[in-house]
Amino acid sequence: ETGVTQTPRHLVMGMTNKKSLKCEQHLGHNAMYWYKQSAKKPLELMFVYNFKEQTENNSVPSRFSPECPNSSHLFLHLHTLQPEDSALYLCASSSRQGKKSGGARTDTQYFGPGTRLTVL
Amino acid sequence: AQKITQTQPGMFVQEKEAVTLDCTYDTSDPSYGLFWYKQPSSGEMIFLIYQGSYDQQNATEGRYSLNFQKARKSANLVISASQLGDSAMYFCAMRVDTGGGNKLTFGTGTQLKVEL
Repeated sequence: ETGVTQTPRHLVMGMTNKKSLKCEQHLGHNAMYWYKQSAKKPLELMFVYNFKEQTENNSVPSRFSPECPNSSHLFLHLHTLQPEDSALYLCASSSRQGKKSGGARTDTQYFGPGTRLTVL
Repeated sequence: AQKITQTQPGMFVQEKEAVTLDCTYDTSDPSYGLFWYKQPSSGEMIFLIYQGSYDQQNATEGRYSLNFQKARKSANLVISASQLGDSAMYFCAMRVDTGGGNKLTFGTGTQLKVEL
């Protein structure tokens, strides 16, 4: 596997279910991110982890619970979601350092393919 | 606060032609970075190109170039010799460098369709 992977790619769940989204990065990065992409809205940053420590929680409701057991894995645990939580959830990773490397900074964020979540 | 504006919700271009996707930004921070990402219908956000606020030259990556006009606060993406596979959503994003962190602010995107 290369890059950033996410599973599952599609998820349908009821409002009373509990499910988890998984993200794994194979890039040797040490920062990981969760984003939410709703229809016709810009991407919204949800959580940031640096070296497994959460450094950003962008006022996300507690029904979303992130977990970062190591620098390569990131989870988003879901429980008692609402229909308005239906969206594409994207994971990204980056290095911490902001040095130039070729045409991009080393802290450029690289994204996974996303999990398309539908809450019924 | 930082803001990214993409005023073109949709664009059409003929195959092999060049196309410019507009992006304007707003920040009072002197040090920042600008990114363009491509999002095909599959959902993955693909990094295309980066421009730093202190870079003297416009960034180029293959068929992608970034027309950076600092005084106008614009960072337009130019795609040369468009291909059918370029049909996708394109997002402009910005990160400011002071205050630490690596938070990206995204625009609302431009849907590009390449036609035969």
